[in-house]
Amino acid sequence: DAMVIQNPRYQVTQFGKPVTLSCSQTLNHNVMYWYQQKSSQAPKLLFHYYDKDFNNEADTPDNFQSRRPNTSFCFLDIRSPGLGDAAMYLCATRPDRGSGQPQHFGDGTRLSIL
Amino acid sequence: TQLLEQSPQFLSIQEGENLTVYCNSSSVFSSLQWYRQEPGEGPVLLVTVVTGGEVKKLKRLTFQFGDARKDSSLHITAAQPGDTGLYLCAGAGNNDMRFGAGTRLTVKP
Repeated sequence: DAMVIQNPRYQVTQFGKPVTLSCSQTLNHNVMYWYQQKSSQAPKLLFHYYDKDFNNEADTPDNFQSRRPNTSFCFLDIRSPGLGDAAMYLCATRPDRGSGQPQHFGDGTRLSIL
Repeated sequence: TQLLEQSPQFLSIQEGENLTVYCNSSSVFSSLQWYRQEPGEGPVLLVTVVTGGEVKKLKRLTFQFGDARKDSSLHITAAQPGDTGLYLCAGAGNNDMRFGAGTRLTVKP
């Protein structure tokens, strides 16, 4: 059974048109992450939530926002997608921030920009 | 920023061969994870190593964490086509996880 679920699996949007990607988890984990992964590259951390506490990476563009209305759900909002934002977006969860605890990933949403 | 360097970046071998991929950093990590990612899917956790010098085995895969907890290796014995994929190492701190660029392995039948 999927424990970290991302919807949709594939998303196509137009240049400049806002888009929202969603992630839900059945693990009741405190921490949720959003990563951007471009072809042949490592996942790049955009931000994470520790419970309701939002932590943004210093180099994450302002164009990327996130919401976590409750423990189970987390959203990635791209306000004005550019061609360079086409990528796989991965959501991950972690029980807590303690050492030794791995992340559990969803299958990702592949975003295309027309 | 804690950087993780993986080598080699690409590896193409024949079925039955052995291989080792490396994950190195100048930073100390509290733990290190290895993931395998297939095209169009999210990374799947293979193993977590926590203790310096730790060795873990998962069937034909052997993972080692360096004594200083700065580096790790993954050794695959008698590789099979099903081992094909992107292998990612990730170092964990208290707040986040940093990934290496990955090793893309192709095992030819």
